[in-house]
Amino acid sequence: QKEVEQNSGPLSVPEGAIASLNCTYSDRGSQSFFWYRQYSGKSPELIMSIYSNGDKEDGRFTAQLNKASQYVSLLIRDSQPSDSATYLCAVVVYNFNKFYFGSGTKLNVKP
Amino acid sequence: GAVVSQHPSRVICKSGTSVKIECRSLDFQATTMFWYRQFPKKSLMLMATSNEGSKATYEQGVEKDKFLINHASLTLSTLTVTSAHPEDSSFYICSARDLQGLAFFGQGTRLTVV
Repeated sequence: QKEVEQNSGPLSVPEGAIASLNCTYSDRGSQSFFWYRQYSGKSPELIMSIYSNGDKEDGRFTAQLNKASQYVSLLIRDSQPSDSATYLCAVVVYNFNKFYFGSGTKLNVKP
Repeated sequence: GAVVSQHPSRVICKSGTSVKIECRSLDFQATTMFWYRQFPKKSLMLMATSNEGSKATYEQGVEKDKFLINHASLTLSTLTVTSAHPEDSSFYICSARDLQGLAFFGQGTRLTVV
């Protein structure tokens, strides 16, 4: 499935830095966008959802959506070692009731 | 967030037997549930979309006769791996979507076929 593309990483950032995770999608009918965090051997957990163009902030996390460019990103401010995980971008195409995931970007936050 | 319970978390079965995995939304009604498969260090692969009261929609390449999905109620979907073989060994994860369109995941089931 190539509906959602992510750089697999790993992305390494020092503790306290901003981590920037990117995702592109192919279906212009996509309506909802999500970021999930997955620790090794565990199920994904929802971090952020975004539905309209622009930025959405929640604590240290900011999701950015640009539908014209079919691009969604996640910024993590003041990165902590506990943020080290794989981050999955998910896209929903409601017309087809599809919920697709990117391959995930592995983030390493170094103390 | 909402709670989705998946059971069992781990199962080991003999080749040729069938295994049923349950996915329950505990505090919300889920008209749609999704079943994924994940290989080590790989992404989630959507297997099928399960809609309450109707047949599941399978992704291309997924054998519907091998992976039987039942969504009999608004809170329960089951995935049965029939005549399991070692190549079916994987991490299976369900997710349920609430009325706001948010999807929450079960804990996953680690299936090992020996």
